[in-house]
Amino acid sequence: GQNIDQPTEMTATEGAIVQINCTYQTSGFNGLFWYQQHAGEAPTFLSYNVLDGLEEKGRFSSFLSRSKGYSYLLLKELQMKDSASYLCAVRGPGNTPLVFGKGTRLSVIA
Amino acid sequence: DVKVTQSSRYLVKRTGEKVFLECVQDMDHENMFWYRQDPGLGLRLIYFSYDVKMKEKGDIPEGYSVSREKKERFSLILESASTNQTSMYLCASSLPISGGQETQYFGPGTRLLVL
Repeated sequence: GQNIDQPTEMTATEGAIVQINCTYQTSGFNGLFWYQQHAGEAPTFLSYNVLDGLEEKGRFSSFLSRSKGYSYLLLKELQMKDSASYLCAVRGPGNTPLVFGKGTRLSVIA
Repeated sequence: DVKVTQSSRYLVKRTGEKVFLECVQDMDHENMFWYRQDPGLGLRLIYFSYDVKMKEKGDIPEGYSVSREKKERFSLILESASTNQTSMYLCASSLPISGGQETQYFGPGTRLLVL
């Protein structure tokens, strides 16, 4: 089976940097995804990691350590519009569907 | 751009009614998924399909069925709606990439209220 843990809520200040952690246990691993979901809207794809290391995409970066079963999403220069839920999802072995964490609700305050 | 559409944004039904939620994608994706999303429980997989006329149970299939008669359309059916099926229902699709970045694209969701 698979288990994914991420904090339920976080608060950060506009202009700051925030790191959202995700830990997972899985019997096989074929990649880790981060999605962003604004309230009342559908999740949208942010990033994908399958190899160890950091993937940078503008203000957002995602890191993966497969040996530790650990990932984080780093958001820099926070803006109010970054207030959303951030979902960590893991692709297990073979052709199994994604397993999603429960999401981290990030509030950006002035 | 991938587009996944769902038949309704909001739906109100009575207990015991049969409910159909429709999902259509326009990118020729083989894989389609139905989730429900509830506060504190996250996204939970109900059913998925990797091909026409094929279906697989997800983590919470009880009380639901699905139909995939055409590649672009995946329907979720609540045979006899109950109040505990009040939820946000999200459909997603993806192009299968074995062992690779198989990104799921989501529809806007249907918020279902069962009275």
